Amino acid sequence: ETGVTQTPRHLVMGMTNKKSLKCEQHLGHNAMYWYKQSAKKPLELMFVYNFKEQTENNSVPSRFSPECPNSSHLFLHLHTLQPEDSALYLCASSQEGTPRDQPQHFGDGTRLSIL
Amino acid sequence: GEDVEQSLFLSVREGDSSVINCTYTDSSSTYLYWYKQEPGAGLQLLTYIFSNMDMKQDQRLTVLLNKKDKHLSLRIADTQTGDSAIYFCAENTGGFKTIFGAGTRLFVKA
Repeated sequence: ETGVTQTPRHLVMGMTNKKSLKCEQHLGHNAMYWYKQSAKKPLELMFVYNFKEQTENNSVPSRFSPECPNSSHLFLHLHTLQPEDSALYLCASSQEGTPRDQPQHFGDGTRLSIL
Repeated sequence: GEDVEQSLFLSVREGDSSVINCTYTDSSSTYLYWYKQEPGAGLQLLTYIFSNMDMKQDQRLTVLLNKKDKHLSLRIADTQTGDSAIYFCAENTGGFKTIFGAGTRLFVKA
């Protein structure tokens, strides 16, 4: 497999459920990202990990809990979500360092619906 | 602050050229990107340009950069129905931070 793989592709959950989104990258990158894409809003950066260390948390509510066990895997644990959290959640990876500013490569996303 | 702006919609006829425009605000941006998103999929990197370049051509795609006006454009020659998608302009402002525009939805009429 190549690229960035996200599972599941679709998820429907109630507000009291706990679920996790998974992302795996096969590109040898060292940085991984979670984005939220809602209708009619720009892409929102949620979290950034570089070499397994979180480097950015963009004021994301604590009901979203990221986990990065290694540079190839990234999880987003979900708990007690709200209807407004329904969106497409995109994972991306990039190679940071030298040369700088390498483009991010995206997975196909998980479409999350909160009932 | 940092911002990337794009028009929301563009409609063209099959075979015509499409030009999608974008403006950005951070003059220190080093790379500028164009991504394509098809229904049900993530963002696919189409092309990118270094800030010290004026133009980059890649098959049917031509990127023009006017750094003075902070204006970026993507021209798609001989537009096909398969080019129908949302196109995102993005700038890298350093390190891990990439700012995305809201996306331009391209409709291609047969």
